[in-house]
Amino acid sequence: EAGVAQSPRYKIIEKRQSVAFWCNPISGHATLYWYQQILGQGPKLLIQFQNNGVVDDSQLPKDRFSAERLKGVDSTLKIQPAKLEDSAVYLCASSLEFGKMNTEAFFGQGTRLTVV
Amino acid sequence: KQEVTQIPAALSVPEGENLVLNCSFTDSAIYNLQWFRQDPGKGLTSLLLIQSSQREQTSGRLNASLDKSSGRSTLYIAASQPGDSATYLCAVRGNYGQNFVFGPGTRLSVLP
Repeated sequence: EAGVAQSPRYKIIEKRQSVAFWCNPISGHATLYWYQQILGQGPKLLIQFQNNGVVDDSQLPKDRFSAERLKGVDSTLKIQPAKLEDSAVYLCASSLEFGKMNTEAFFGQGTRLTVV
Repeated sequence: KQEVTQIPAALSVPEGENLVLNCSFTDSAIYNLQWFRQDPGKGLTSLLLIQSSQREQTSGRLNASLDKSSGRSTLYIAASQPGDSATYLCAVRGNYGQNFVFGPGTRLSVLP
């Protein structure tokens, strides 16, 4: 079974530039999450999708971050413009929809973003 | 608001020891709890998932327990090996489909 795919693995940009990350979840997983992990901390949720609808984006800095999940499969996360404090690993995860017996979350390898 | 803590923050043990990692959460209304392993520069690997109705789960040398009423979970690692060196994270999910809330992790080093 293929896992959660993310690209790119690494990205270095200058502050005020734009960047986009891509995620392809496990086939059949209705729920998709984007997490931000700052060095030395646990992941923090940015946005949660159920199919192509947003379930929770309360911690997404909407003035600079945006995310979409067209057709309820792949998702992209965009930052525009980037700040130095956005340097982190961006993790995508997927799971079966809530209410199923096993809603184990599976994570991708992450994208390490460095803003200079 | 759910908050998750993990103790200790870091742990260093000689190879072969049995060890326990602790996870505490403030809101006992959880749907499930999941333990993950994270190697440096890598994503998260799922180790064990415990549903709220379960008391424990086992996989190989790993055993995770859940005491929902006291807001605690432990991850027991038997006969530790250098390959177990990594950061271990626990995450809890609320009863209404909320996202997983993570603890800060325990960084484990197993010395040969």
